[in-house]
Order: sequence, then C-alpha cells, then structure tokens
Amino acid sequence: NAGVTQTPKFQVLKTGQSMTLQCAQDMNHNSMYWYRQDPGMGLRLIYYSASEGTTDKGEVPNGYNVSRLNKREFSLRLESAAPSQTSVYFCASSETSGSQETQYFGPGTRLLVL
Amino acid sequence: QQQVKQSPQSLIVQKGGISIINCAYENTAFDYFPWYQQFPGKGPALLIAIRPDVSEKKEGRFTISFNKSAKQFSLHIMDSQPGDSATYFCAASRSGATNKLIFGTGTLLAVQP
Repeated sequence: NAGVTQTPKFQVLKTGQSMTLQCAQDMNHNSMYWYRQDPGMGLRLIYYSASEGTTDKGEVPNGYNVSRLNKREFSLRLESAAPSQTSVYFCASSETSGSQETQYFGPGTRLLVL
Repeated sequence: QQQVKQSPQSLIVQKGGISIINCAYENTAFDYFPWYQQFPGKGPALLIAIRPDVSEKKEGRFTISFNKSAKQFSLHIMDSQPGDSATYFCAASRSGATNKLIFGTGTLLAVQP
C-alpha cells in the first residue's frame, strides 16, 4: 500500500515550458486534491476532484489545468510555466470515517521555473 | 483574505515544555478543524481534529482547545520532545464542501534538547 505517490520529485522548467505533474493513490478514495505550498502562505488549494469524472476550481486555479484520469489518478498541468509557479506541489486524497475526515498527502513535487 | 489566521509563525520550546499554537477563523459555517504536522521534505499528515460539538479533544500529548464564541482553536503539545520539531498547520472546512480545507500559514516549531 503506497498511499499517495507523485512524480516527478523535482523539476526545473524555463518560462513558457509546459509540464504535467502526476499523482496516484491506491486507497480507493473518491476525492483528490492539488495544493501548492509557498513560504508564509501555507497550503492553497488549486483544484480538486470529488469523484471520477468531476473537477472543480480551488483557491488559486489560474495557470493550471487538471485531469481526473480514473479513480486512482489525478494530474496537474502547467501549460505555460511562469516564475510565479515556482512552488512545492502536493497531491492528496481523502476519506471520511465517522466524524473524522482525513486527507492523505503525497511527498510533493518541487518545481523551479526560471 | 485570510480565512484562517495562525500564530505564531515560529516557536522555540525547551524539551519538556508546553507548545501552544493558535488559530482564528472567520467563516461561522466551518465545522471541522484539523491540525496537520509536516516534517521537512514530507507531505503534511493529520495529527488531530475537532468538531464544534466539543470544547476539547485530547490524543496523547496533543490537545485541541476550541472556543466557538471567539472563533478560535489552539493546539497544545504537552511535554514537548525534539521529535515534535516540525511545521504545524491548522485548517478548517465545512460539511458538504468536499473536504475543501482552508489552511493557516503554518507554525515552525523547534524543540530544543
């Protein structure tokens, strides 16, 4: 049981380049999320998917697109990277058990845009 | 607009001491308040969570205190240990919002031996 996995771990892009961040979970969770983490800003939700086939914007969606490929996989795409997108990106999936809702986070992708 | 305000930004505590981190929220519709712990180079992990029907929840050395009227909640770490050194995030969400968490800005805790 690997939990939430993310690839790649690190990436350096030039301004204007595109890339896709991959995320997969093996916990059979319906909901999946993409966050970015910046110093002093906490974690901010980019996009989320409540179930296979649905996606919705979060707090900071501009410059990103997502695809919920199937129940396991949720990818994040940067079509034209900008230096402002330099960040650490986390994917998460969630389950609800009783009154507790738990989000499980992947190890993150560190992205530098030059 | 910061919907969940967290303080302090950083905290240094001696081993065996009590660490206290505070959060305040604005949206009265929030009804779920988790705390996440993050070690360097790792993703956050759920530590403890509370709903507004109780004023306190304790799990081992970790306690959440919740004040609904003041719209504030806090994390207390008793007998702090060097292994507790991490970044702590409070968060809030409301039922029916697909677990959309609004996170605080984080507190970097250093427990000195």
